[in-house]
Amino acid sequence: QKEVEQDPGPLSVPEGAIVSLNCTYSNSAFQYFMWYRQYSRKGPELLMYTYSSGNKEDGRFTAQVDKSSKYISLFIRDSQPSDSATYLCAMRAGGNNRLAFGKGNQVVVIP
Amino acid sequence: SAVISQKPSRDICQRGTSLTIQCQVDSQVTMMFWYRQQPGQSLTLIATANQGSEATYESGFVIDKFPISRPNLTFSTLTVSNMSPEDSSIYLCSVGGELEDPYGYTFGSGTRLTVV
Repeated sequence: QKEVEQDPGPLSVPEGAIVSLNCTYSNSAFQYFMWYRQYSRKGPELLMYTYSSGNKEDGRFTAQVDKSSKYISLFIRDSQPSDSATYLCAMRAGGNNRLAFGKGNQVVVIP
Repeated sequence: SAVISQKPSRDICQRGTSLTIQCQVDSQVTMMFWYRQQPGQSLTLIATANQGSEATYESGFVIDKFPISRPNLTFSTLTVSNMSPEDSSIYLCSVGGELEDPYGYTFGSGTRLTVV
């Protein structure tokens, strides 16, 4: 079983729709959870982060972590064409600086 | 956050040759990481490089194939040796993971390598 599972299927949505992305993980030691956004031919950039369980909102973006289910989610409200990118979940344990990544979801927002 | 300059941005290489990728950081950092990103796959950590010590390689990656240098706190190189078409991928360097900023990872723009 992989440490982090993220269904890599592409996602195409109309402008204004809600985008829902999620990852599951197997390592119960993971405490720090992140979502990265990666535009074509660029490196990943940190979009959202949460510690342990709970929700975090930043503008149109909401990150959720459910440690009991080992499940994390990212929601993008009122999606814009500029949100078109690949979104990768990543996580790490407290005493280990190694990041484990999901495969990423390519999101296309159609004007 | 740190700014990373990675080069080359892309290259096409003949099989059997080697390519060295460079990452320059605009501030001193303790740890640097090297990743491989293959199409449809997650970022896979190749090794962690601390200044003044040997790089630590992840399972499936060996020093003879991916030698790494870390001569100071702002610079590192990754060499892909004796390349084959299976090495065609995007290679990324990253910094971060400091104790005081557990989320503060920054990535270079990547090197897109094609081996023919």
